[in-house]
Amino acid sequence: AQSVTQPDIHITVSEGASLELRCNYSYGATPYLFWYVQSPGQGLQLLLKYFSGDTLVQGIKGFEAEFKRSQSSFNLRKPSVHWSDAAEYFCAVGASDYKLSFGAGTTVTVRA
Amino acid sequence: NAGVMQNPRHLVRRRGQEARLRCSPMKGHSHVYWYRQLPEEGLKFMVYLQKENIIDESGMPKERFSAEFPKEGPSILRIQQVVRGDSAAYFCASSPPAPGVGPGELFFGEGSRLTVL
Repeated sequence: AQSVTQPDIHITVSEGASLELRCNYSYGATPYLFWYVQSPGQGLQLLLKYFSGDTLVQGIKGFEAEFKRSQSSFNLRKPSVHWSDAAEYFCAVGASDYKLSFGAGTTVTVRA
Repeated sequence: NAGVMQNPRHLVRRRGQEARLRCSPMKGHSHVYWYRQLPEEGLKFMVYLQKENIIDESGMPKERFSAEFPKEGPSILRIQQVVRGDSAAYFCASSPPAPGVGPGELFFGEGSRLTVL
């Protein structure tokens, strides 16, 4: 069975500081990995995805994530956060293009 | 708003009543997916539908839950005889039918939050 753990429920970061959100997954084969973001009043939006190839993946809004097979991790990073990055972030793993399992989410608060 | 539209955004039901959640996919999308997020948990896949067809319902509870996506109109997730454990956020997603859409390229709505008293 596939599962995702996001160890941090809530992270507070200062505007301009770097951000790293952790994601660990459990899956028997090479997974499809995703990060989604949900801003207040919005639906989930795909930030980036990993299927194969280069383990460092670039996404939208200046985000990147690194797949580390040995650690079963897919951590999300941004070098310098903006106030508009305040949102809830979800990591997901999937065996197919639609049957995804999501983590419980990490809420990011950005302070001025 | 050309995004995935879900309504109602919030629904309160008493135990034993029926809940109906509606989802209108993005324009041009013919694939609809329903996910459920229980409190303190991540979203879990429930069902995948195309127009007038259920493609994969492996994530649906065996009883009381049903979904449809008729030829005309929105997709409906129906929960009969609701119980407190059905309280959750229900998310709908859609995707276009054209090839080239990769895995995970689902467009999600804002979710419908069901509270069962």
